[in-house]
Amino acid sequence: AQTVTQSQPEMSVQEAETVTLSCTYDTSESDYYLFWYKQPPSRQMILVIRQEAYKQQNATENRFSVNFQKAAKSFSLKISDSQLGDAAMYFCAYRSLNAGGTSYGKLTFGQGTILTVHP
Amino acid sequence: KAGVTQTPRYLIKTRGQQVTLSCSPISGHRSVSWYQQTPGQGLQFLFEYFSETQRNKGNFPGRFSGRQFSNSRSEMNVSTLELGDSALYLCASSLTGAYRETQYFGPGTRLLVL
Repeated sequence: AQTVTQSQPEMSVQEAETVTLSCTYDTSESDYYLFWYKQPPSRQMILVIRQEAYKQQNATENRFSVNFQKAAKSFSLKISDSQLGDAAMYFCAYRSLNAGGTSYGKLTFGQGTILTVHP
Repeated sequence: KAGVTQTPRYLIKTRGQQVTLSCSPISGHRSVSWYQQTPGQGLQFLFEYFSETQRNKGNFPGRFSGRQFSNSRSEMNVSTLELGDSALYLCASSLTGAYRETQYFGPGTRLLVL
């Protein structure tokens, strides 16, 4: 079974600094997607960034970028120039193509990392 | 486009009762997935519906059920509520539920079971 592990329950960063959130996953599949979602206090899950396993190039979205190491099964999120609005719970999630349809609609999430941004 | 909407936003029930939660996907999205979020278990997949058919189901007891209507709106039902069912229930929609699609989440329904 696929599992996603976020080993940092909490992280903190100073405003305008850079922070990296870690995520590792376990899978035997070769074709899959990885996502980072942000959940602010409002509890609305918001997509931050996504990465396809077949793409060598790391995804980037403005101040957010990932370091995807497929062989190591690692998918970390780097937030540059941190802002107060970045404070939230961040979830790493995995989604695969799975023969037989058992992956329909199913995201597997890590336990989350609470990010605090200090002014 | 309007986002995913969920109603009600908050619910308080007592043990033994049943509850129905509703989810309206983004217009044009036909796949709806449901998740349960608790502090202890995190985010867990409940089930996924597409074209009024359940295609995938997580590891939850039969007290948890759902359905989807022809307009893609979905409901989930929990019967014989237990204290442990207190959670945030999130629904997410995507076009067809294919693995490469991003799921867009609603604001959630917070259920408290007393």
